[in-house]
Amino acid sequence: DAGVIQSPRHEVTEMGQEVTLRCKPISGHNSLFWYRQTMMRGLELLIYFNNNVPIDDSGMPEDRFSAKMPNASFSTLKIQPSEPRDSAVYFCASKQGSYNEKLFFGSGTQLSVL
Amino acid sequence: DAKTTQPTSMDCAEGRAANLPCNHSTISGNEYVYWYRQIHSQGPQYIIHGLKNNETNEMASLIITEDRKSSTLILPHATLRDTAVYYCIVRVEGNAGNMLTFGGGTRLMVKP
Repeated sequence: DAGVIQSPRHEVTEMGQEVTLRCKPISGHNSLFWYRQTMMRGLELLIYFNNNVPIDDSGMPEDRFSAKMPNASFSTLKIQPSEPRDSAVYFCASKQGSYNEKLFFGSGTQLSVL
Repeated sequence: DAKTTQPTSMDCAEGRAANLPCNHSTISGNEYVYWYRQIHSQGPQYIIHGLKNNETNEMASLIITEDRKSSTLILPHATLRDTAVYYCIVRVEGNAGNMLTFGGGTRLMVKP
C-alpha cells in the first residue's frame, strides 16, 4: 500500500489566492483527519471525517477554511482567501475502524502564503 | 482525555536504550496510552499503545506502571534515525466525540 498520499508537497501562493490541498487516504480506511502544524501552535486538529461525513470541524480556524470528502478515497482542504498566517504544514491522516487510534499520516503539504 | 506531561527534550547515545517517560496521573480506567513520533519533515508515525500490560513490538517497548499514572517508552538500541519528537497521548478508544490531539512531546536527540 502506498500509504496516505497528499498533494501538492509544496505550495507557494500569494495572499488572497485560493489554495486547495488534496488527500487520498489508505484504501479501506473509514476515518480521515486534517491537521495543521506550525512552530508556534504545534500540531492542531482541524477536522475529522467518518465514513465521508464531517463529524467535528471545531478546529477549523475560520470560515475561510473548508473541507470536503466526496468519496472514500479523496478529500480536499480549501482556503479561500489565503492569508500569510495560514502558512504551515498541513497533514492528512486516516485510520481503519472506530475502536483504535492508530492513525497513518501523509507526508504533508508545506504551504507558504506570501 | 487525560492530560500528559513529558520532558521537553532528552539526549541518548547511539546504541544505548532510550527511555522516554510520560506522566498521566489523571488517566481513567478505559483510557489507553498511545505513542507516536515525528521525524523532521515527516508526518507523525504510530509506535505502540497499551492499556495495562506492558507491550512490545518491532519498534519499541511500552512499560505502564501498575497504577497506570505513568509510562515509559523504551527504544532498546537507539540509532541516529530515532532522532525525533515523541508524543505520548492518552485516549479513550472509539470516543468519536473527541479527536486525537498532540501535545508538545519530547524531542529526543540521539548522538553518535
